[in-house]
Amino acid sequence: GAVVSQHPSRVICKSGTSVKIECRSLDFQATTMFWYRQFPKKSLMLMATSNEGSKATYEQGVEKDKFLINHASLTLSTLTVTSAHPEDSSFYICSAGRTSAQYFGPGTRLTVT
Amino acid sequence: AQSVTQLDSQVPVFEEAPVELRCNYSSSVSVYLFWYVQYPNQGLQLLLKYLSGSTLVKGINGFEAEFNKSQTSFHLRKPSVHISDTAEYFCAVSEVPGTASKLTFGTGTRLQVTL
Repeated sequence: GAVVSQHPSRVICKSGTSVKIECRSLDFQATTMFWYRQFPKKSLMLMATSNEGSKATYEQGVEKDKFLINHASLTLSTLTVTSAHPEDSSFYICSAGRTSAQYFGPGTRLTVT
Repeated sequence: AQSVTQLDSQVPVFEEAPVELRCNYSSSVSVYLFWYVQYPNQGLQLLLKYLSGSTLVKGINGFEAEFNKSQTSFHLRKPSVHISDTAEYFCAVSEVPGTASKLTFGTGTRLQVTL
């Protein structure tokens, strides 16, 4: 158990458009999910904590109006990158907590052209 | 505030040799420690975790780690590595147990196993 999926796995979009990334916990319910960003050959940077039924909690320096998070159900959180720019290109990974550990999705590679 | 240091950015090792990946942490409170592995273009997979109890923790794929409170370390070890162990390894710490706990990651160690 503890499987987390992400969709899409890869996405290419034009500058100025918005992109939505979905994170699902497939075999368990998660009241809290996390969104991370990973730059090439770098560690994971926590962007925000997604709370089911309430507003997300963003880390310092992360623009909440640019990275919209919606946690509409106990198995789904979405991250929308609004008005994407090339500097938003990155690997985005979500995680969900179960039994005192975080379980991660496979990640989404976003490329903004 | 908590932090994690992985001093070795890369560790080259021959197949069937033992390996140790180092992790040190700092925190003002009790910590909960994790090791994750990441294969290219994939998410992170939990290798093992320390929450309480025995300081020697065994994980998947033959890995184990030992929590040393006095040295604030949680080094990862494997007695005999395989080519398939080539990946990026991340140490992480949380100050709060449970499913809503935020993780702080180290910068990662690239384990490169060769013949």
